[in-house]
Amino acid sequence: SAVISQKPSRDICQRGTSLTIQCQVDSQVTMMFWYRQQPGQSLTLIATANQGSEATYESGFVIDKFPISRPNLTFSTLTVSNMSPEDSSIYLCSVGGPYSNQPQHFGDGTRLSIL
Amino acid sequence: DAKTTQPPSMDCAEGRAANLPCNHSTISGNEYVYWYRQIHSQGPQYIIHGLKNNETNEMASLIITEDRKSSTLILPHATLRDTAVYYCIVKQGGSEKLVFGKGTKLTVNP
Repeated sequence: SAVISQKPSRDICQRGTSLTIQCQVDSQVTMMFWYRQQPGQSLTLIATANQGSEATYESGFVIDKFPISRPNLTFSTLTVSNMSPEDSSIYLCSVGGPYSNQPQHFGDGTRLSIL
Repeated sequence: DAKTTQPPSMDCAEGRAANLPCNHSTISGNEYVYWYRQIHSQGPQYIIHGLKNNETNEMASLIITEDRKSSTLILPHATLRDTAVYYCIVKQGGSEKLVFGKGTKLTVNP
């Protein structure tokens, strides 16, 4: 399976600031996804990062708050904008195969704390 | 996507088989059953998936009932490192979305 690297692995930020999280894959992949895991909760899909087009956001998530880039088939970024303490979560990147029944594989996430 | 129901927690003795159940009574014909686990402070790890036949790999076995309304993930010889939250997910063929429920917290005891 693909090796997925996320940077930073953790950060502590001030409210009102923005942070960009990077996701790098060691092979070209069709599908890349961004998830959020709030403290003590399960994972929630934020958006699907589409190469060459705008990301597709899930209900409750908007581009102004979570802008996503996907410049090529091995890289994506998620920005958490104008952060508040409620944004304190783990943000995870995952990648999927070219076929719909292939499993997604996850990075180890970025643990973000907002003061 | 079909909803899944899992027990919130289970315990297992080290070296014994861990059998984790999942109910997905509303599953439709083109939906796959996926199992992931999340060890503390790590991203979810893919374990196994299946459509209707039983599946086995180096990590686990997946037993799906004939009516496909439930499944069981079997870890044949549980170790302390298998302590994790296990997620059973039903995903529609052609859709890429994974909808995570609360999962089962498996604790393997020495």
